[in-house]
This record gives sequence, structure tokens and C-alpha cells, in this order.
Amino acid sequence: GQQVQQSPASLVLQEGENAELQCNFSTSLNSMQWFYQRPGGSLVSLFYNPSGTKHSGRLTSTTVIKERRSSLHISSSQTTDSGTYLCALDLNSAGNKLTFGIGTRVLVRP
Amino acid sequence: GGIITQTPKFLIGQEGQKLTLKCQQNFNHDTMYWYRQDSGKGLRLIYYSITENDLQKGDLSEGYDASREKKSSFSLTVTSAQKNEMAVFLCASSIYYEQYFGPGTRLTVL
Repeated sequence: GQQVQQSPASLVLQEGENAELQCNFSTSLNSMQWFYQRPGGSLVSLFYNPSGTKHSGRLTSTTVIKERRSSLHISSSQTTDSGTYLCALDLNSAGNKLTFGIGTRVLVRP
Repeated sequence: GGIITQTPKFLIGQEGQKLTLKCQQNFNHDTMYWYRQDSGKGLRLIYYSITENDLQKGDLSEGYDASREKKSSFSLTVTSAQKNEMAVFLCASSIYYEQYFGPGTRLTVL
């Protein structure tokens, strides 16, 4: 089965609402990153977070290794948060090869 | 800080044609990567290189060649373009674990 699973697949928010995106993985990991991608755009690294909790503005990432999950919390969503959020993990490979989830597509309505 | 540039931004080819994509980074990172992104399938690793003149195959290397001529540049060649193929090719670089991505090359094969 899939080694990296993201949920939900898509999400529609009203501006100002909070959201939590999940990333579940099936094996132990060396590293993990959360990325943001605007349609037709490149990947912007939001967090490098192999364990614990990190904050950046309205975003919070929490990785719990023993539960094999990572979450991305968006607070007070804005229309500019619309896009796709991808998690990617180095599943104990040589050479830091990332395995990506398919992503969560977020639409924030004004 | 640094930047990753990819050329060309858009590439239109004919079936059977050999096509080359280029990537440059000025982070002075050791490791560089080529990923392919298809709609609904997430990113998949084609090739990576941990130092100048090194090449390692990813999960999707068949049909591609790569070349790491110097530390700052990494090229990818589509050896025979497939008809109706459409994808985005993303280059990335890293030192230690965190990866940074370029803007992408969008390929269309007629």
C-alpha cells in the first residue's frame, strides 16, 4: 500500500476558519517536510520537521514519530492559503530520497 | 540564501524526440534531484546525484538520462518523448535533509 497517506484529499474553508491536514506514514523516517504548491507553481518548503512541533506565522506542524503521523494546522485561513499542501518523507533511505504524498487541495473562500 | 533556476520553463516536443532540461543552483548544495509531477500522482523521483559526476537512479529512471557536470548544475534528458505526454519536471537540491525546489519545466509532447 501507499507509504505516505494524506488526508483529507481536498478541503473547502470559509476565510477565517481553521484547518488540520494529516500525513500518515507506514515506516520509520529520517526526515519529513511540508510543502505548499500554488496551481502551476513550484514547491515552497513550509517546515522541515522530523519530530516535535514547529510554528511559522499562522501555520503549525506537529510530528509524532511513535504514532507515525504529522499534521499541519492552518489558523485563521486566508484566501491566499488556497493551493495544495504536500508532505514528504525520507523513509530511511540512502541519499535522502523523499517519498511524497498526493497532497491536500485547499480552497479558502472569501 | 540561494536560488534554483530551471530552463526552459516550457518545453514542447515531438514524439520520439530527445529533450534536455537544465537545472542550476547557487546554494552550493551537494545533492541534487529530478522529480516528475503528474496530475493526481504526486511527485516521483527520477534521478539524484550526491556530488559532481555521481548519478543514482530513482523510482522512475527508465526513459531518462541525467548528467551532473559540476556541483551547481544537473541536467535531465528525456531519451524518447512519448506522444501526448504532459508533466512538470522539478529540480531540487539539498544539504543534509531539507530540500529546496526550482520553479519547474512544463513538458508537452505533441
